[in-house]
Amino acid sequence: ILNVEQSPQSLHVQEGDSTNFTCSFPSSNFYALHWYRWETAKSPEALFVMTLNGDEKKKGRISATLNTKEGYSYLYIKGSQPEDSATYLCVGGGSNYKLTFGKGTLLTVNP
Amino acid sequence: EAGVAQSPRYKIIEKRQSVAFWCNPISGHATLYWYQQILGQGPKLLIQFQNNGVVDDSQLPKDRFSAERLKGVDSTLKIQPAKLEDSAVYLCASSFNRGPSPLHFGNGTRLTVT
Repeated sequence: ILNVEQSPQSLHVQEGDSTNFTCSFPSSNFYALHWYRWETAKSPEALFVMTLNGDEKKKGRISATLNTKEGYSYLYIKGSQPEDSATYLCVGGGSNYKLTFGKGTLLTVNP
Repeated sequence: EAGVAQSPRYKIIEKRQSVAFWCNPISGHATLYWYQQILGQGPKLLIQFQNNGVVDDSQLPKDRFSAERLKGVDSTLKIQPAKLEDSAVYLCASSFNRGPSPLHFGNGTRLTVT
């Protein structure tokens, strides 16, 4: 099972700030990297699934990059809004398709 | 498309009682997952089904937890008897296949064991 680490554990930013979080994972036996957003009282929502080294994906103000050789992914949020407040989960997939969740980064955006 | 349906949404039971959770995945999704999320931790996989077969139940406490996916569609997760440490959110998710497909989650069941 992959050991997936996320940092920071929590983050407070002001509305309009841009921010980023990190997800690290073992580079060996890597298969895929997922990012999910989990808002309070809702179900986790898929943001991105990436598989290739150098992948960059974008969805509105949110983007993500992947470096499989060094074992990390960054999630960026440009111009944070209060509705971006959520827990952001990183999930690493090993070559046997096993998915391992990180503990998440709790983002709070203050108006 | 309809999302992943889970019930109940909340459940409070006493220790040593039994409880069951139900999940209906998105139509056509072959892979179904049950996760346990304890406060402050990331979701932990309990069991993964591919159609109606189990592909991973290595972290399922089999002395008290059981799960089935009849006919490769709906699934139930049972705990018998419950312990205090089973208090958690139980998430059901489905995906189109075992490859790099995104997971689609239900709203989860928040279980409190007193």
